[in-house]
Amino acid sequence: ELKVEQNPLFLSMQEGKNYTIYCNYSTTSDRLYWYRQDPGKSLESLFVLLSNGAVKQEGRLMASLDTKARLSTLHITAAVHDLSATYFCAVDISLNRDDKIIFGKGTRLHILP
Amino acid sequence: DTEVTQTPKHLVMGMTNKKSLKCEQHMGHRAMYWYKQKAKKPPELMFVYSYEKLSINESVPSRFSPECPNSSLLNLHLHALQPEDSALYLCASSQDPGASGRVRNEQFFGPGTRLTVL
Repeated sequence: ELKVEQNPLFLSMQEGKNYTIYCNYSTTSDRLYWYRQDPGKSLESLFVLLSNGAVKQEGRLMASLDTKARLSTLHITAAVHDLSATYFCAVDISLNRDDKIIFGKGTRLHILP
Repeated sequence: DTEVTQTPKHLVMGMTNKKSLKCEQHMGHRAMYWYKQKAKKPPELMFVYSYEKLSINESVPSRFSPECPNSSLLNLHLHALQPEDSALYLCASSQDPGASGRVRNEQFFGPGTRLTVL
């Protein structure tokens, strides 16, 4: 059974600090996505990671993928209040009959001014 | 045009009603998706259409009936829903479906339809 675990599930941090959100998954996949969701809104695509060792950066966010460890990280550098949101990772398995997209439970990020 | 549109934004229906949710994209994407999201929970994949054919049905009850009239449109027909079906229903599209070894690219999500079943 495919499991996707994010931690922490809730994170309250000060502006200007750095932190990392972790996404572990239980089966082979080399495609992983990060999304942002603001309260009452839809999902916004942040990063698409398609191979082992992939690293992508956008502003204060950087995502990486280690398919051997089945781990992705979302690193926040010098957090600002505007980054407060819920962040989801999602693992994609579509190379066989078991075609699934499974989301982690999400990390609710609250950045204090 | 780089957006996915959904109508209606809000829907309140009784358990005996029949209603439909609509989703449209004009990005030339060949895969379209329906997700259900309960409050403070992650999205759950319901259906995937790949090249206008249903490719994934995640054991969704038959009171939800998807339809893909063409490559730009996706409908979700609702009938005899239960109060526990109340949720945010999200439509998404991606350039490639991801099956048969092809890589699925990022999904673009619509704003969602907030459904309340009384």
